[in-house]
Amino acid sequence: QKEVEQNSGPLSVPEGAIASLNCTYSDRGSQSFFWYRQYSGKSPELIMSIYSNGDKEDGRFTAQLNKASQYVSLLIRDSQPSDSATYLCAVNAQNTGGFKTIFGAGTRLFVKA
Amino acid sequence: GAVVSQHPSWVICKSGTSVKIECRSLDFQATTMFWYRQFPKQSLMLMATSNEGSKATYEQGVEKDKFLINHASLTLSTLTVTSAHPEDSSFYICSARTETYSNQPQHFGDGTRLSIL
Repeated sequence: QKEVEQNSGPLSVPEGAIASLNCTYSDRGSQSFFWYRQYSGKSPELIMSIYSNGDKEDGRFTAQLNKASQYVSLLIRDSQPSDSATYLCAVNAQNTGGFKTIFGAGTRLFVKA
Repeated sequence: GAVVSQHPSWVICKSGTSVKIECRSLDFQATTMFWYRQFPKQSLMLMATSNEGSKATYEQGVEKDKFLINHASLTLSTLTVTSAHPEDSSFYICSARTETYSNQPQHFGDGTRLSIL
């Protein structure tokens, strides 16, 4: 069973701080990694994709991937109350007939004003 | 780019009614579309994977005769909840990906909130 694990939280950080969200995955053959943000009552929204080891930065967001440790993280700098949401880690692993996406259960983030 | 439109956004209907939900990819061809269900404060649950021109693949425990999926074109997939009952009330979300063998992410529609009275 291929798995993606996330701490369910809630993770609470003060406004302006760095929020660090972590994810581990079980399938060493996984090839692409995504972070989605889901506000309460809304559908998930893609915020970051990462395919190779190292860091990828986009504005206040940085995704970090370490395939050897099977670990992917998302850092949110200068956290804002509007960042309060559930963050889903997703992993594409090759499967019969194509790529299967496995979603983690999500980490709830609260940014306190 | 990669916009997915889902309609309707909200449905309230009586028990026993069948409800159709549409999912369209607006600016790309979606060979593969996915249907999810999400209960309040719970994780996304994949219901089925739909490939254009072929039968959908349902996840274990999902009744294919209850949740009819049609993916007739590269831009449209529909989910019909047949003879809906209160326990079918949930948030249904579709997503789409460009190619069956793609390593690309899924892009989600805005979801449909279904309430069965």
